[in-house]
Amino acid sequence: DGGITQSPKYLFRKEGQNVTLSCEQNLNHDAMYWYRQDPGQGLRLIYYSQIVNDFQKGDIAEGYSVSREKKESFPLTVTSAQKNPTAFYLCASSISGSGVRYTEAFFGQGTRLTVV
Amino acid sequence: AQTVTQSQPEMSVQEAETVTLSCTYDTSENNYYLFWYKQPPSRQMILVIRQEAYKQQNATENRFSVNFQKAAKSFSLKISDSQLGDTAMYFCAFPPGAGSYQLTFGKGTKLSVIP
Repeated sequence: DGGITQSPKYLFRKEGQNVTLSCEQNLNHDAMYWYRQDPGQGLRLIYYSQIVNDFQKGDIAEGYSVSREKKESFPLTVTSAQKNPTAFYLCASSISGSGVRYTEAFFGQGTRLTVV
Repeated sequence: AQTVTQSQPEMSVQEAETVTLSCTYDTSENNYYLFWYKQPPSRQMILVIRQEAYKQQNATENRFSVNFQKAAKSFSLKISDSQLGDTAMYFCAFPPGAGSYQLTFGKGTKLSVIP
């Protein structure tokens, strides 16, 4: 079945550690996104990528980094520079980033990151 | 830039009744899609319904339908015959416009279906 897989489902990070959240899709989508979800704030865009080896910052990119070496994969690293990383993280993909080909975004099941 | 506003943070409805969730938006685009997503307690984001702005007919998916008023920039979601499984957060979303790649979400409405 086609879809988006995020792992792990739960992740615990110690202060000062970098952690990487995995996102893989087999939908052959060009565009991929990382969103952060906090209670009462909806979804906020961290990074997005329209094509392999290219990505752009979203609204809250500070303290995060990404890579897009393969079309199927868009991992997110939460660095020690992110001062308040405890949140729910959602990865998404779409056929195209914008324009007339944009129809909908498909989401993974999310990763809950907690700082301990 | 697109903006999406959901003015009802929380709502509740009796099982088998009908409920309407509101959404307004602002855009300078003329042709676009609008979306309602559902996020149940499992937190998986699921597309509920999609409306194409150039279509005058309101979209319907089983018990879910929309009231799309383009001139008023209003896009409400009606859930008929509410079921316990409809308990979830509901997000209205606007797709990327010209020069943008961001799917813009409202802050969500928490819907509780009461047995």
